[in-house]
Amino acid sequence: AQKVTQAQTEISVVEKEDVTLDCVYETRDTTYYLFWYKQPPSGELVFLIRRNSFDEQNEISGRYSWNFQKSTSSFNFTITASQVVDSAVYFCALSEAISNNNAGNMLTFGGGTRLMVKP
Amino acid sequence: DSGVTQTPKHLITATGQRVTLRCSPRSGDLSVYWYQQSLDQGLQFLIQYYNGEERAKGNILERFSAQQFPDLHSELNLSSLELGDSALYFCASSTLADPRGTIYFGEGSWLTVV
Repeated sequence: AQKVTQAQTEISVVEKEDVTLDCVYETRDTTYYLFWYKQPPSGELVFLIRRNSFDEQNEISGRYSWNFQKSTSSFNFTITASQVVDSAVYFCALSEAISNNNAGNMLTFGGGTRLMVKP
Repeated sequence: DSGVTQTPKHLITATGQRVTLRCSPRSGDLSVYWYQQSLDQGLQFLIQYYNGEERAKGNILERFSAQQFPDLHSELNLSSLELGDSALYFCASSTLADPRGTIYFGEGSWLTVV
């Protein structure tokens, strides 16, 4: 069974600090997909990034960067020069094909990391 | 804005009642999902439909049911409501049925059972 662990339940930083959110996953599949979603105080879930298991290139998008390491089953998320607007709960998620004749799609979420950025 | 539309945004109802949550997927998406977010269970997958047919089922209670209509919108029916059903219910959609499709979430429907 797949599992996603976000060991940091809450992180507090001061604006402009860099912060890394950890994500460790477990899966028996060789093909899988990893995601990060952001949930701001308003409640919606916002898609940030998706990585395929066969693509270990790190990715940078503005102040956001992601480090995918298959050897340690980790997919960590770093925010550089954090801002107050980054305050949210961040979820890491894993997707595997559901094994039946009609492959489905199911996201398994970690417990989330609440990030508080103070001015 | 993800393009996934959910109604109502907020709902307060009494125990034992039945409610229906509605979802319109992103334009062009054939797959619709329902997730429940509660304080004690976190984000849990409930059910997936693809082009009108059930494709995958998670930990959905027997009191809950869903369907996807020919116009691709979906409804989640929650009946015999209990206090523990209070949660944020998300609808999501993707173009594909399998994990190659990125799942985009709506803003959620806040359900409070009193």
